[in-house]
Amino acid sequence: DADVTQTPRNRITKTGKRIMLECSQTKGHDRMYWYRQDPGLGLRLIYYSFDVKDINKGEISDGYSVSRQAQAKFSLSLESAIPNQTALYFCATSDASTQETQYFGPGTRLLVL
Amino acid sequence: GQSLEQPSEVTAVEGAIVQINCTYQTSGFYGLSWYQQHDGGAPTFLSYNALDGLEETGRFSSFLSRSDSYGYLLLQELQMKDSASYFCLLGDSSYKLIFGSGTRLLVRP
Repeated sequence: DADVTQTPRNRITKTGKRIMLECSQTKGHDRMYWYRQDPGLGLRLIYYSFDVKDINKGEISDGYSVSRQAQAKFSLSLESAIPNQTALYFCATSDASTQETQYFGPGTRLLVL
Repeated sequence: GQSLEQPSEVTAVEGAIVQINCTYQTSGFYGLSWYQQHDGGAPTFLSYNALDGLEETGRFSSFLSRSDSYGYLLLQELQMKDSASYFCLLGDSSYKLIFGSGTRLLVRP
């Protein structure tokens, strides 16, 4: 079984709809991250969480919110989706001592019409 | 400011050795890691350097020189499946993560 899972893997939605992307991990890591990747570009950090009670904004948090329901679960919400949020979204985890070593989920491909 | 620079593209022949450089401008950091990402796929962790020197993991090795402000990923015995994007990641002294721009590697027969 995969250590970091994401659901759904693909999603098509309409402008203005609220959607949630979910991430679960079995690695026992305290730290979890949400990234987006646009075609041909690198990863950009949306939100990150050092533990259940510690959530921080990344470089592109506008239009997104997150919830850390448990150590193993970190969800990303788009409150009112817009077309320029069409992208590939990755969840990742790391332990506290080496955050540069990250383990990524398979990604969610989101299309906002 | 802080940045990580990588070449945008590298081409090499199957069986050859290729080096992908990552130069940085930051006053202090904990370590430098490397990832591989195939088109449409998730990044996969390859190697991490906390200290100067060479770390070897099979066909992949990574090197760090803090005095020269750069690191590199070395891929040996290139295979067609190594065609992918590779990026470096640095964690600075304030726990901020900085990603390299990524290098697209094309392995030719």
